[in-house]
Amino acid sequence: AQSVTQLDSHVSVSEGTPVLLRCNYSSSYSPSLFWYVQHPNKGLQLLLKYTSAATLVKGINGFEAEFKKSETSFHLTKPSAHMSDAAEYFCVVSDPNTGNQFYFGTGTSLTVIP
Amino acid sequence: DADVTQTPRNRITKTGKRIMLECSQTKGHDRMYWYRQDPGLGLRLIYYSFDVKDINKGEISDGYSVSRQAQAKFSLSLESAIPNQTALYFCATSDRSGTSERNEQFFGPGTRLTVL
Repeated sequence: AQSVTQLDSHVSVSEGTPVLLRCNYSSSYSPSLFWYVQHPNKGLQLLLKYTSAATLVKGINGFEAEFKKSETSFHLTKPSAHMSDAAEYFCVVSDPNTGNQFYFGTGTSLTVIP
Repeated sequence: DADVTQTPRNRITKTGKRIMLECSQTKGHDRMYWYRQDPGLGLRLIYYSFDVKDINKGEISDGYSVSRQAQAKFSLSLESAIPNQTALYFCATSDRSGTSERNEQFFGPGTRLTVL
């Protein structure tokens, strides 16, 4: 069975400092992993995805994530936070062998302090 | 134009009323999904459909039904709405082909439903 744990429900960083949003997953197979972002009163936008190619994945807006199988982790990082990064972030695991069902983490709310 | 659209965007209804949320997509994807989002719980899958003749229950299907009228349309119904169905509802689509979009889900803008 697949599941996702986002280790922090809220993260606050100062503008210009690094961002780290943590995600651990559980999957019986080689999973696909995603990070989605949801800005206030908006839908979900894909930031980046891992689908068994390079383990370091670069996404939009300067975000990247590293797939670490030994640690079952897929943490999201950004070197320097911007005010526009304030949003809710969701880590998602999917198993292509079972029809691409998505399993969402409970989300991490990122606050960026000026 | 948006690839995945949902109507209505906002709806307030009363307990016991029947309500339908509609989703349309122009991406040509086979697979469509309905989720609900509640604060602190992330998104949970209600129903999903891999093609017009294939409908499957998700994690929280009780109290909901769906209809896949065409490849591009997937509707969610609440036969008798109750207050704990107050939530933000999202429709999503995905492609099963070998394209670069494989495995990714594309989300509509959401429908905010309030049941009084």
